[in-house]
Order: sequence, then structure tokens, then C-alpha cells
Amino acid sequence: DTAVSQTPKYLVTQMGNDKSIKCEQNLGHDTMYWYKQDSKKFLKIMFSYNNKELIINETVPNRFSPKSPDKAHLNLHINSLELGDSAVYFCASSPGGWKTEAFFGQGTRLTVV
Amino acid sequence: QQQVKQSPQSLIVQKGGISIINCAYENTAFDYFPWYQQFPGKGPALLIAIRPDVSEKKEGRFTISFNKSAKQFSLHIMDSQPGDSATYFCAASMVNSGYSTLTFGKGTMLLVSP
Repeated sequence: DTAVSQTPKYLVTQMGNDKSIKCEQNLGHDTMYWYKQDSKKFLKIMFSYNNKELIINETVPNRFSPKSPDKAHLNLHINSLELGDSAVYFCASSPGGWKTEAFFGQGTRLTVV
Repeated sequence: QQQVKQSPQSLIVQKGGISIINCAYENTAFDYFPWYQQFPGKGPALLIAIRPDVSEKKEGRFTISFNKSAKQFSLHIMDSQPGDSATYFCAASMVNSGYSTLTFGKGTMLLVSP
């Protein structure tokens, strides 16, 4: 059973397109995240949701919009894709509160051409 | 401002040797310090973690050493194996209003030569 699953694993698209990445966790966790890993492997938090509510929104362009339909899902929609958006995007979840152990999905490699 | 600084950026160790990766943090409010291991094409996975009330934690061949006064912590991998070749990230977090977020170091690419 996959704990944190995200789809698709690979996404190649043209500049200007709109795309979505889906994430689901079956761990019963309260908190979910989106991280971006750049070409130098640096991991940076983008968004954090706790019980479907947005908690953290780091300096991310408003072309990126997270949506959490329920506690187990956190999707990422990206409008007007740019070349600089090419990266690996990771969804993660954690129990919440003081339990900060984060479980990561396998990642979505987004390539904008 | 980088809150968690990690070194070295890359490391080559012979099989059976000791791999040492160091991290330093700035925010004294951090209260949880995990290490993550990432293999190519995979997401980071928790390896070992420590809280600041202890100075050392050992799990198998992996040990975290923690120095609260110096605001530093390190990962030691004893008897390093080729299967340990991966990118290692240190991280830090603090609970704030009932939630927390991990701040990662920039990663260390470890290669263990056979």
C-alpha cells in the first residue's frame, strides 16, 4: 500500500499551458505539503495544509494554486506554465502538531518546453 | 537567509569507511532535527531524527550527534556500503501554533565506492 501517492510521475508540457498534479495519502495524517526540488536538489516548501486549511504559503507565484478537497487529498494546479517551473514536485504528509515526521510521495518531474 | 546549512555538498567514501555529514542551524526555536535519505527517482525518506534534549541517537549504522550550544548536528554512517550511495538532507522544524514545517539543508550527495 502506497502511503503518499502522486500522479503523474512525469509531466511534459508546453509553456503557457495549465496542468495539475494530484496527491493522496492513506496515512490518516492531518497535514499535507507541497515541496519543490530544483535542479540542484534543493527542497523548498511551497504550501502546507492542515485539515484542509491553508497554513503556509511561501513565496510562490499565484499561478500555483493548491486545492484540498478533503484531508487525504492535496492537489496542485499550475496556470500559465513557465520554463522556470521545471522541477520535481513532492507531496508529503505528516501527523501534525509536534509529530513532524514527513512522508514523501515519489515526486512528479515537471518539464516545461 | 538559509536557516539550515549543510556540508559537504558531495562526499566520496570507500566501502567500510565512515561518512560524516554536518549541519548547522540558526533558529534556536527548532526542536526537531531529522535526516532524510533520497535515492534517484524517489522521494526523500526519513532515516533518523533527534530532539535537542539528547546529544546522540543511534540506529544501526546511523548515528546523529547533536551539539545544542554550537547549534550543530551531524550524521555519521559507520561501515558505509555502496547501497548507502544517495543524497542526504538534514532538516529542522519547530511546532508553531499546532503545526510545523521542515526546513531542509541543501543536501549532500554521498558515493560509497566498492
